[in-house]
Amino acid sequence: DAGVTQSPTHLIKTRGQHVTLRCSPISGHKSVSWYQQVLGQGPQFIFQYYEKEERGRGNFPDRFSARQFPNYSSELNVNALLLGDSALYLCASSWGGSSYNEQFFGPGTRLTVL
Amino acid sequence: AQSVTQLDSQVPVFEEAPVELRCNYSSSVSVYLFWYVQYPNQGLQLLLKYLSGSTLVKGINGFEAEFNKSQTSFHLRKPSVHISDTAEYFCAVSASSGNTPLVFGKGTRLSVIA
Repeated sequence: DAGVTQSPTHLIKTRGQHVTLRCSPISGHKSVSWYQQVLGQGPQFIFQYYEKEERGRGNFPDRFSARQFPNYSSELNVNALLLGDSALYLCASSWGGSSYNEQFFGPGTRLTVL
Repeated sequence: AQSVTQLDSQVPVFEEAPVELRCNYSSSVSVYLFWYVQYPNQGLQLLLKYLSGSTLVKGINGFEAEFNKSQTSFHLRKPSVHISDTAEYFCAVSASSGNTPLVFGKGTRLSVIA
């Protein structure tokens, strides 16, 4: 079975631009979570979606938004990009939406903001 | 809220030697605990998890960890490391009640020396 896939792999944007990152979960998984991993740090939770509804949101500004589609894929949108948004963005999927459900991570999208 | 402290940012160790990566957590409620590994340019892979029951947890690739509630620790151990174990290791915690996201530590870079 295919794992979690993310696109694009790498992305370069300039300050003020908008970006959309995409994630396809493992087949059968209904929950998708997004994390931001700044260089040298651990991943930080941004959003969780389960059955197309937002289940949780981390401490990120309103410039960050996300949604989950009927096929359980997901998009993360970031508006008005700042230099500090440069990071690896990780998507993780799980079968259920509970804390004990194992999360499977994709390879990430490396975003560079110039 | 939960938090995780990984006490060592870098751990060098010779091949075939034992290793321990330390993790302490803080929480006012019961928790689930996880260890993830991240190889260069890849996403995170679950090594092992503690949900309940036996405090000694065995994972993949010969790793194990012990949950110590009194010391709020969840240290990761391997009796004999290989070059292929060189990677970044992350400890993570979530509350066991409700649906709370993973909170990660800053990571420990394990470098295995031939």
